[in-house]
Amino acid sequence: AQSVTQPDARVTVSEGASLQLRCKYSYSGTPYLFWYVQYPRQGLQLLLKYYSGDPVVQGVNGFEAEFIKSNSSFHLRKASVHWSDSAVYFCAVSMDSNYQLIWGSGTKLIIKP
Amino acid sequence: GGIITQTPKFLIGQEGQKLTLKCQQNFNHDTMYWYRQDSGKGLRLIYYSITENDLQKGDLSEGYDASREKKSSFSLTVTSAQKNEMAVFLCASSMTGYEQYFGPGTRLTVL
Repeated sequence: AQSVTQPDARVTVSEGASLQLRCKYSYSGTPYLFWYVQYPRQGLQLLLKYYSGDPVVQGVNGFEAEFIKSNSSFHLRKASVHWSDSAVYFCAVSMDSNYQLIWGSGTKLIIKP
Repeated sequence: GGIITQTPKFLIGQEGQKLTLKCQQNFNHDTMYWYRQDSGKGLRLIYYSITENDLQKGDLSEGYDASREKKSSFSLTVTSAQKNEMAVFLCASSMTGYEQYFGPGTRLTVL
């Protein structure tokens, strides 16, 4: 079955440190890939997207992600986190159906001062 | 750019009551979605619509109805609210096959 896995429910990082949030999917083809962020009591905002081409995609606020097809992964990275990055991050993947996204369960990012 | 508006922002209902949530988008997107998000959880798809007057069930459609009478609007009805039900309902829209854009959500509380 097609699925998206975010193995870390919570990640704690010190302010200024680097960050990686993991996302793996189960699908034999080449999917469309997305990362969204949800700040407290808000809707989801698109951080970045991958459709084709350069496997490293840049997003807003210094975030980037790398599509590694051989590993079925699309991990999110940031070189130096800020306290305002505290939020829940969702990975989503479009596979066979062009209409639906398969969602990961989310990773809550906590920034330590 | 565009925007997705959801009304109401907060919805409080009684057990057994029929409740309607509304969503409007001005992106001119073809496809619209309704998701439910329980506290601290991920998103579950309730209904989606790929064009005006089209409705497709998601994994969580039982207990809900939807209506897409115009391209720009998509309504969701909770057919019989369940006591102690608390969730956020998120509306989204997209050009078919591309990224989804979300509204701010409607918070439902059932007393």
